Amino acid sequence: EPEVTQTPSHQVTQMGQEVILRCVPISNHLYFYWYRQILGQKVEFLVSFYNNEISEKSEIFDDQFSVERPDGSNFTLKIRSTKLEDSAMYFCAIVLPGQGTEQFFGPGTRLTVL
Amino acid sequence: AQSVTQPDIHITVSEGASLELRCNYSYGATPYLFWYVQSPGQGLQLLLKYFSGDTLVQGIKGFEAEFKRSQSSFNLRKPSVHWSDAAEYFCAVARGGDSSYKLIFGSGTRLLVRP
Repeated sequence: EPEVTQTPSHQVTQMGQEVILRCVPISNHLYFYWYRQILGQKVEFLVSFYNNEISEKSEIFDDQFSVERPDGSNFTLKIRSTKLEDSAMYFCAIVLPGQGTEQFFGPGTRLTVL
Repeated sequence: AQSVTQPDIHITVSEGASLELRCNYSYGATPYLFWYVQSPGQGLQLLLKYFSGDTLVQGIKGFEAEFKRSQSSFNLRKPSVHWSDAAEYFCAVARGGDSSYKLIFGSGTRLLVRP
């Protein structure tokens, strides 16, 4: 199973602040995804990213959110002005070339907005 | 719209007993189906997947799942549960031909194992 690292593991921020969550896959990938899981709820799709551009985004992924791959390796999710309801676990997932649709998840970043 | 239903929020079984976790999906064509497991504070680990072919698929940790098109179900089974299987289990579906193959998750089933 490929290794996917996410940093930080836990981020605490004040409401209105910007946060950047990072996903560091170890090997070459085609697709990147971000999902979130509010405490006690199901995992929800946020956005998919292919070939350095967004391929699909959910209704949750509004103008407060953005994704990019700044250095060709790290994959970031930015929340511009955090709200209390952004508190959740954020998971990065990747698909390996030739592996079809099988997604491998990182350990997640727990975001707490105060 | 696609949806995934896991009707059991919690299931408790005794160690050594058999297990079946239910999953039903709503989708017009044959989807890609997955089961993931999440231990407390951990990420999601893929247990098994179904894309096509044999409707009984084997996964890791002794798990298997059966795709039943007529029932729109993809139930997860294990013949003998171990205490380490206590976790949350998520069924997920991806749409074949979808531009991004995003996963739609069920709400999860928490498995408790009695010693």
